[in-house]
Amino acid sequence: GQNIDQPTEMTATEGAIVQINCTYQTSGFNGLFWYQQHAGEAPTFLSYNVLDGLEEKGRFSSFLSRSKGYSYLLLKELQMKDSASYLCATKDSNYQLIWGAGTKLIIKP
Amino acid sequence: DAGVTQSPTHLIKTRGQQVTLRCSPKSGHDTVSWYQQALGQGPQFIFQYYEEEERQRGNFPDRFSGHQFPNYSSELNVNALLLGDSALYLCASSSDWDKSSYNEQFFGPGTRLTVL
Repeated sequence: GQNIDQPTEMTATEGAIVQINCTYQTSGFNGLFWYQQHAGEAPTFLSYNVLDGLEEKGRFSSFLSRSKGYSYLLLKELQMKDSASYLCATKDSNYQLIWGAGTKLIIKP
Repeated sequence: DAGVTQSPTHLIKTRGQQVTLRCSPKSGHDTVSWYQQALGQGPQFIFQYYEEEERQRGNFPDRFSGHQFPNYSSELNVNALLLGDSALYLCASSSDWDKSSYNEQFFGPGTRLTVL
């Protein structure tokens, strides 16, 4: 079956660093996406990984290990506006996006 | 450049009724995907439309149907509504979705459907 696991909720402090993990099992693999979703809003694209390694984009970085079926999203210099849900999604062999349930990130002052 | 638009924003229906949700893709995009997102969950893929045909379908009953028009806009229809159909319905557009691994999907603001 196809499955994506993420922690349900995480808490971090403003200015700190947080790592959100994602493990996946899908039929085929055509890349992994991270999206941010604020409450009541649509998901917005953060990053895409298809090859192993780290992709850095400003305060956000995403890492992929295909052999381990593992990815993480790293958020640095946390700001209050980073409080949101972070969704991990993989594109399977049919190019269909399979989504995790999301990780709710709570930032405290 | 307008992004993905959806209408209506909110909708309240009663069990057994039918509903139609609408989506206009981002300019230049030809593929529209529909998702259902229950509270606290990730989006669940309903189906995808390309060239006015349903190209892929997720694990949703036939009560869920759709359409894509020549201008690439799309509709999602749900018949015989159940309480469990209450959710945020998201439309996402993209182009050349299956021609390369990387194709970002752009999401609309969603339609919040409440079934009483």
